[in-house]
Formats: sequence, structure tokens, C-alpha cells
Amino acid sequence: DGGITQSPKYLFRKEGQNVTLSCEQNLNHDAMYWYRQDPGQGLRLIYYSQIVNDFQKGDIAEGYSVSREKKESFPLTVTSAQKNPTAFYLCASTRDPGQAGNQPQHFGDGTRLSIL
Amino acid sequence: DQQVKQNSPSLSVQEGRISILNCDYTNSMFDYFLWYKKYPAEGPTFLISISSIKDKNEDGRFTVFLNKSAKHLSLHIVPSQPGDSAVYFCAASVDSGYALNFGKGTSLLVTP
Repeated sequence: DGGITQSPKYLFRKEGQNVTLSCEQNLNHDAMYWYRQDPGQGLRLIYYSQIVNDFQKGDIAEGYSVSREKKESFPLTVTSAQKNPTAFYLCASTRDPGQAGNQPQHFGDGTRLSIL
Repeated sequence: DQQVKQNSPSLSVQEGRISILNCDYTNSMFDYFLWYKKYPAEGPTFLISISSIKDKNEDGRFTVFLNKSAKHLSLHIVPSQPGDSAVYFCAASVDSGYALNFGKGTSLLVTP
């Protein structure tokens, strides 16, 4: 079955440590996204990538970094510079709208990050 | 600055009745609108979308209405079922290749 896999589902981090969240998709989607959700809030965009080896900052990119070396993978690193990293992190992907027209983003099941 | 607003944090509806979830937006450049359903500790699931060239889109029990002049859209669920109980997010983008702007969600409870 095609889909988006995020791992791990739960992640704990000590203060001062960097941690990397995995996102893999086998949908052959071109664009991938990282969002953060806090309690009672909508999803806020951290980073997105429309093509391999290229990515753009979203609304809350400070303290995060990404890479897009392969079409299928878009890992997110939460660095020690992120002052409030405890949140639910969601990865999404979609096809290239230039080829496919308007297409919805499809989401993984998320990773919950907590600070010890 | 919240560009997509869902002003009702929660809604309770009886089974079999209509659920109407509302969403307002401020950015007139938005031309693609979506509704997602989300359960706790899971990713959002896409429900239905509409582009700005339409004012209505229907998929089974779900209908989305778009009023561009009022910058307002709504999701109608008819008839509502207990399994519809979840948080519903409205989202919008300039086009689907770009990032989505989400509302804060409306928690729907459908009671038997």
C-alpha cells in the first residue's frame, strides 16, 4: 500500500540535543511538507520542498533544519536552538500541481516529540 | 496572523441531523480549499476540496460550499453519524503545490 511513513511515533529528547524525525513516502509525490501542531492549534508550516535538493522555509522554521536528497525522503531535524520543541509533528506530500492540477496533501500519522 | 479562521471550537449534533462547519479566510489570493478530518494522535485525513472556480462540491454525505465574495466556506455533513466525531480542519492555499494554511479546527461530536 502506498503512503507516508513517519517514525518514530513517540520521541523523547533531552534538552540541548538535536533529534531527527523521519518521513518517507512511496507515493511518487514531488512535494513534501513538515507541519507542527500544538494543543488547540491548527497546523503550522515548518519547511517544504517541491523538488529534490531544494526546500523553502515555512512560517516557523527557526530551530529546525531539513534535507531532501531523495524524492522519497524528507527528514526534519529539531535542533537545540528550538526553544519549545514539544509538539506533534506531521509530514505531508502531494503531486506536482503543474502536472496533476490541484491535488490534496496527504499526511503521515505524525511523531510526538517530548522534552525530558 | 491567522489567514484561515474557524471561529467555533466545538459543535455538537444529533445523529441523523445536519452538521455545518464554518470557515472564513482573509487572503483573497487563496484559490484552493480543503477540509480534513483528524483523530487524536493521527494525521489528518483528506475529506473534500473545492477550487475557487466552483461554489459547491459534493462527495457522498459531504458537501463544501464556497462564497468567494464573503471569503467563507462551509462543510455540510448529511446525515451526521457518530463515526463523524473528530476534529475538522479547514485549509487553504494559493494553489495546491504550495503550503496549506490551516484553521485551528472545530471539534464535532455526533451524539446517538
